[in-house]
Amino acid sequence: EVQLVQSGTEVRKPGTSVKISCKISDYTFTEHYIQWVRQAPGKGLEWMGLIDPENGETIFAEKFQGRLTITADTSSDTAYMELSSLRSEDTAVYYCARGSHLDPWGQGTLVTVSS
Amino acid sequence: SYVLTQPPSVSVAPGQTARITCGGNNIGSKGVHWYQQKSGQAPVLVVYDNSDRPSGIPERFSGSNSGNTATLTIGRVEAGDEADYYCQVWDSSTDHWVFGGGTKLTVL
Repeated sequence: EVQLVQSGTEVRKPGTSVKISCKISDYTFTEHYIQWVRQAPGKGLEWMGLIDPENGETIFAEKFQGRLTITADTSSDTAYMELSSLRSEDTAVYYCARGSHLDPWGQGTLVTVSS
Repeated sequence: SYVLTQPPSVSVAPGQTARITCGGNNIGSKGVHWYQQKSGQAPVLVVYDNSDRPSGIPERFSGSNSGNTATLTIGRVEAGDEADYYCQVWDSSTDHWVFGGGTKLTVL
């Protein structure tokens, strides 16, 4: 069964960074994009960006340009999302998901930004 | 940037048919994906490329797309279908994925 398993809950202070991992299993890592989506409390889904693990190419939503880094480690079949210069509005559940049509999704990682 | 518009809420009685729309400029020329998100859970893909269903998704879930409106149709609605539903498309002008604002389906 294809699975994406994310790292656990994070609490950060404003101005710091957070890095979330997304480990895949039961498929070939380089054959599908990994995308990152977030959801603020009580809000809808927001697309953040994606990576092609085969060549490391990335695309980011404009609002995250300069703050977002997405990487893929093919030796461990793990993708990473790092968001810097955190502010309270970045408090959200962050999801990774496989492919062009997102299937399946990771379980989500709650990131709380608070002083 | 490309905007997708969904109604905030749709209500339907059990056994009836629910239709959730997703409006966008010439959306009929794009491939639309639909996701179901139950409370406290990660989203699940229910329809992709306008009308295809992933394995394990009941035939009650179907999709269509034409003109400026894509539609997710859920037949013989059950209490377990109560969830938020989101549409998604690829905006080729910006190379970005875009989500609709989501629709809360309430089963009366």
